[in-house]
Amino acid sequence: GAVVSQHPSRVICKSGTSVKIECRSLDFQATTMFWYRQFPKKSLMLMATSNEGSKATYEQGVEKDKFLINHASLTLSTLTVTSAHPEDSSFYICSARGGSLEQYFGPGTRLTVT
Amino acid sequence: ELKVEQNPLFLSMQEGKNYTIYCNYSTTSDRLYWYRQDPGKSLESLFVLLSNGAVKQEGRLMASLDTKARLSTLHITAAVHDLSATYFCAVEGAGDMRFGAGTRLTVKP
Repeated sequence: GAVVSQHPSRVICKSGTSVKIECRSLDFQATTMFWYRQFPKKSLMLMATSNEGSKATYEQGVEKDKFLINHASLTLSTLTVTSAHPEDSSFYICSARGGSLEQYFGPGTRLTVT
Repeated sequence: ELKVEQNPLFLSMQEGKNYTIYCNYSTTSDRLYWYRQDPGKSLESLFVLLSNGAVKQEGRLMASLDTKARLSTLHITAAVHDLSATYFCAVEGAGDMRFGAGTRLTVKP
């Protein structure tokens, strides 16, 4: 089956620093990758959609200068949280879609900003 | 805009009982998904429903889709403690996927 990995699984960073999260499709080529954010006991909120080689499409209310998304290859997308603040602490989940049109979800990254 | 409403949000069941979770959505959809999420974990795919009248079953869970009513159901039969988790439906349309709020299911002895 299709496998999506995320790294790191947990990260703690200080306020004002930047942190990068990687999302990889391990056994398929992902033409589209999605980034979601989930607050405790809440649903998943789509942040942005990225297609390989083009700029990400951000959902309304998501700051593109704060959440930098790069989808440089068909197996890797990265989300960089710039100048992180405690309110950015959340569970970030990526998903990837290849030719089957189904989305496969990564295991998530828990970000804590102190 | 695609909207997804899921209910109930909280469900406390006794072992052995049956119950149904409902998922309504607002516009034409390409496909509907059901996921399970355990605390601190990512999503586990349960079902993908593609067409009107689709019914899928896996163990004690059965999902169905009525595209005319824009409604999907997840039926739980003879609940067991291991089914305790949060269940999400998600609807995909025009390339976007929108999630319901989730149903937090607790199965008690």
